[in-house]
Amino acid sequence: DGGITQSPKYLFRKEGQNVTLSCEQNLNHDAMYWYRQDPGQGLRLIYYSQIVNDFQKGDIAEGYSVSREKKESFPLTVTSAQKNPTAFYLCASSPPERGIYGYTFGSGTRLTVV
Amino acid sequence: AQSVAQPEDQVNVAEGNPLTVKCTYSVSGNPYLFWYVQYPNRGLQFLLKYITGDNLVKGSYGFEAEFNKSQTSFHLKKPSALVSDSALYFCAVSGNTGGFKTIFGAGTRLFVKA
Repeated sequence: DGGITQSPKYLFRKEGQNVTLSCEQNLNHDAMYWYRQDPGQGLRLIYYSQIVNDFQKGDIAEGYSVSREKKESFPLTVTSAQKNPTAFYLCASSPPERGIYGYTFGSGTRLTVV
Repeated sequence: AQSVAQPEDQVNVAEGNPLTVKCTYSVSGNPYLFWYVQYPNRGLQFLLKYITGDNLVKGSYGFEAEFNKSQTSFHLKKPSALVSDSALYFCAVSGNTGGFKTIFGAGTRLFVKA
């Protein structure tokens, strides 16, 4: 079955540590996105990529980095510069961004600072 | 600028009764509107979308939504609620101008009591 796989499901980070969240899709979608979800705040866009080797900052990119070396993969690194990283992170994909396509979401990664 | 509002943080309804989850939007040009559902610790699942055509859109699990251009609304409805409909519901909007960026509402939690 086609879909998006996020791993790990739960991740614990120590202060000052960088961690990388994995996102892989086999839907042949061009566009991929990373969102952060906090209680009562809905979804906030971190980074998005419309094509391989290209990505743009979203609304809350500070303290995060991404890469898009393969169409299938869009990993997110949460760096030590992100002061409040505890949140639920969602990866999504869609056909080329034209607004008319819905997104397919992964199951999410819950990141906790310990 | 695009925006989407879900005016209710929470909606409570008894099983078997009709339910409505409200959404209003602001976008330049013609809107593309979406509803998603999220169960605990899961990603969002696509329910339905309005792109053009009939104002009443039918989607998954018996849900439907009515597009009202004059009121800039896209309310989600179901004639008879089930306990299993209890979840977090997100409205989203993108426009056919300004880069087709998709904006998500803050979400509305639906509780269906048996």
